[in-house]
Amino acid sequence: DVKVTQSSRYLVKRTGEKVFLECVQDMDHENMFWYRQDPGLGLRLIYFSYDVKMKEKGDIPEGYSVSREKKERFSLILESASTNQTSMYLCASSYRGGQPQHFGDGTRLSIL
Amino acid sequence: GEDVEQSLFLSVREGDSSVINCTYTDSSSTYLYWYKQEPGAGLQLLTYIFSNMDMKQDQRLTVLLNKKDKHLSLRIADTQTGDSAIYFCAERRTDRGSTLGRLYFGRGTQLTVWP
Repeated sequence: DVKVTQSSRYLVKRTGEKVFLECVQDMDHENMFWYRQDPGLGLRLIYFSYDVKMKEKGDIPEGYSVSREKKERFSLILESASTNQTSMYLCASSYRGGQPQHFGDGTRLSIL
Repeated sequence: GEDVEQSLFLSVREGDSSVINCTYTDSSSTYLYWYKQEPGAGLQLLTYIFSNMDMKQDQRLTVLLNKKDKHLSLRIADTQTGDSAIYFCAERRTDRGSTLGRLYFGRGTQLTVWP
């Protein structure tokens, strides 16, 4: 089975902190994705990566950056956390083409 | 861009069939997906259908695809209380000017199953 592991289930940080969310997949997938999920807004794509060191902006990249130094790991960085970044963050991965995305369990991030 | 549309809520009695509907945006979308999300968890892939098919059945799940109307449905037979969750439909499409396909999700349908 595909395993996508997010480093934390719950995280509490303070406004202005630099926050790192980590995601690791064990299936040698080329593509990796970061979404945030908010009530009433569904899933919104922040960034995605289709290869090591490659990245593409999604729909809401402002205030975020990403890093993909190794194929199995995709990190989401909140450069200076703000309260409006309090959300559930979901990581996903997939093979190339139309293969399904597989999701981690999510990180519920609270910015105080 | 245009949105993938789903109704927000559906309630059914245990043992009945549930039908969750979705309207997607691009007739050239190649793959369409259904995901399930239980409280506090990530999204679990339920099933997906390629655009050259019009039906797919997998145990209690039946997916119907009407490409002319850009309509996708998920039927759950003999619905159980454990099926209570949020169900997301998603289409894979390639935006103009890009060579990369990505998923576009609906906002999810909250299915509640009453005993």
